[in-house]
Amino acid sequence: GDSVTQMEGPVTLSEEAFLTINCTYTATGYPSLFWYVQYPGEGLQLLLKATKADDKGSNKGFEATYRKETTSFHLEKGSVQVSDSAVYFCALSDMGGTTDSWGKLQFGAGTQVVVTP
Amino acid sequence: DADVTQTPRNRITKTGKRIMLECSQTKGHDRMYWYRQDPGLGLRLIYYSFDVKDINKGEISDGYSVSRQAQAKFSLSLESAIPNQTALYFCATSDVGGVANEQFFGPGTRLTVL
Repeated sequence: GDSVTQMEGPVTLSEEAFLTINCTYTATGYPSLFWYVQYPGEGLQLLLKATKADDKGSNKGFEATYRKETTSFHLEKGSVQVSDSAVYFCALSDMGGTTDSWGKLQFGAGTQVVVTP
Repeated sequence: DADVTQTPRNRITKTGKRIMLECSQTKGHDRMYWYRQDPGLGLRLIYYSFDVKDINKGEISDGYSVSRQAQAKFSLSLESAIPNQTALYFCATSDVGGVANEQFFGPGTRLTVL
């Protein structure tokens, strides 16, 4: 079945540091890929998405490129701020997979990011 | 106003009690979902509904039931709560069609079963 694997946290870094969160996936069909962010005490918000190979999603200074050859969708930000402290989830939706997976999101375990001043 | 709302936001209950978590949405989406979040496990799908007459079990439906009262309302029930159902519960919605199944989440309900 479909699955998403992302690096474990917590990831602790200083303000203005470079952030990378690795995400790899397994899918049988043609997945769309997402990064969601969960700020403390809140629900998940879509951060960015990519729907086909080589697409780059970007938002709020974050970027991720859909790499079909390496089945990856790593999240990057060049200069983090304290306000980026949150839990980040990689997810996929396999619209071309089996009917059992169609229309559902498969989430990774989440990576907590802590940015210190 | 929030597009997806959940009530209550926090609930403490005792083992064996019946409890209902409610979700309402103003986005006009046909699809609705219930997830639970546990530390280190991400989000796991409990039930989902693609329209009012369509209810499907997710990967962890045991001990839960749902009701889709209207397009805008989707309730999750724990018939007899147990401590390992202590978790953060999220409702989500998505629209039919489109290439990607982007989902929109409510703020969550923190449930503690003693």
